Amino acid sequence: KLVETGGGVVQPGRSLRLSCTASEFTMSDSPMNWVRQAPGKGLEWLTYISKTGDNIYYAESIRGRFAVSRDNSKNTLFLDMSSLALQDTAIYYCARERAGASFDSWGPGTLVTVSS
Amino acid sequence: SYVMTQAPSMSVAPGQTATLTCGGIDIDSKSVHWYQQKAGAAPILVIFNDDERPAGIPDRFSGSNSWNAASLTISRVEPGDEADYYCQVWDTATGHRVFGGGTKLTV
Repeated sequence: KLVETGGGVVQPGRSLRLSCTASEFTMSDSPMNWVRQAPGKGLEWLTYISKTGDNIYYAESIRGRFAVSRDNSKNTLFLDMSSLALQDTAIYYCARERAGASFDSWGPGTLVTVSS
Repeated sequence: SYVMTQAPSMSVAPGQTATLTCGGIDIDSKSVHWYQQKAGAAPILVIFNDDERPAGIPDRFSGSNSWNAASLTISRVEPGDEADYYCQVWDTATGHRVFGGGTKLTV
C-alpha cells in the first residue's frame, strides 16, 4: 500500500528527496510519518505531518536539515533531506498513522547511503 | 523527549510464553503500540492502544499497560515469532512519536 522511492548513494553535504506513494487508500485520510533505521540499529522516528500538512513535528536529530511535505492530489508524501551526513545512512520508511498514533501500514523502505 | 526502555534480548523455547516489557515514566497514561520486525522486512503492527490486535494478528499476541511498564505477551511461541519487537508511544508534551530501543526475541 505504501512504496518509498528516491534512495541511493549520496555524498556528505548533498541533498536527496524521498517520495512515498500510497495505493489502495487515500493518503489525505491519514497523518503520515517517516521513520528510519540505521544498519544494525533500532527504529528512529523522524517526522510527522497532519492530514492537511498544517501541523508538523521533527525529531531533534533532523530538525533544520530535513523537511516533510505532502501532495494529497498525488497521494504522495515527501522527505527533503539536505546537509546529509554519514550518520544519516539508513533505511527510510514511510508509515500511515491511525488509532492512538500507531503506525498501521509501512512501506518496504528505501536505502539511503551517505558516503564519499 | 520521552524515553522508553526495553531489554536488548530475550530467549524462549517453542511453546512457552514470552513477556516483553517496555518501561517509561507514567507509561500507563499513554497508549502503547507494539511492532514486530523480522530480519530484512519492514515492521508490522501487532498491538495498538495497549491491548488491541489489528486484523490478522493471532490471539497468541496480547498486550497490557500498568504503572511504569507496558507488556507484550506472546503465548505458545513459535519459531516464526523470532524477530525484533519495538514499543512506541505518542509523547503529547512534544508531539513526537517515540520508539523503545527494541528487544530481539530468539526462539
